[in-house]
Amino acid sequence: DAGITQSPRYKITETGRQVTLMCHQTWSHSYMFWYRQDLGHGLRLIYYSAAADITDKGEVPDGYVVSRSKTENFPLTLESATRSQTSVYFCASSESILGRKRELFFGEGSRLTVL
Amino acid sequence: AQTVTQSQPEMSVQEAETVTLSCTYDTSESDYYLFWYKQPPSRQMILVIRQEAYKQQNATENRFSVNFQKAAKSFSLKISDSQLGDAAMYFCAYRSSTPLGGGATNKLIFGTGTLLAVQP
Repeated sequence: DAGITQSPRYKITETGRQVTLMCHQTWSHSYMFWYRQDLGHGLRLIYYSAAADITDKGEVPDGYVVSRSKTENFPLTLESATRSQTSVYFCASSESILGRKRELFFGEGSRLTVL
Repeated sequence: AQTVTQSQPEMSVQEAETVTLSCTYDTSESDYYLFWYKQPPSRQMILVIRQEAYKQQNATENRFSVNFQKAAKSFSLKISDSQLGDAAMYFCAYRSSTPLGGGATNKLIFGTGTLLAVQP
């Protein structure tokens, strides 16, 4: 189906482990984003990407790594998970930065628990 | 840097009544976009309404409308004839309209959200 999908939807891991959250979109949108959602903080931007092989840091990038070798995929990796990274993670994409095409479309979120 | 503030962590409204959710923002830019997103318990982020800063007319989408006060940097959401399905977390968001190479200003900045309960 067309759209933006995240996997896994739920993940429990232990402190120190590496975790990768996957994001895949079928629209060929240029821009992709990773946000984390925490109570009292709303959604905060972790990393974003303007195109394949172009990524940049957002507000809270520490402890996270991203890559974008293909336009449709934007995986987020926690190299050594910490309890403070327990959160709900949202991937989003947009076609352009111009006009109405700047609307962001969100995935359904991935709930990560770090024990 | 731009910031978005939602000062109402929780709100409640009776079914069929009207409720207004507040949002203020801070920016030095003159052109930008503002959004309201709805997040029901399913966690899906759903765009409710958008407003271009250069437009003086307030945006309307069916039962949802905004009161955009550019000088006051205020962007409130009014929900008329509230329905049980309107119960959700609502986020106000800001997005610059000025591209600065590599989409640096393409990011969406969110407020902390307002949890809306609808009483039957």
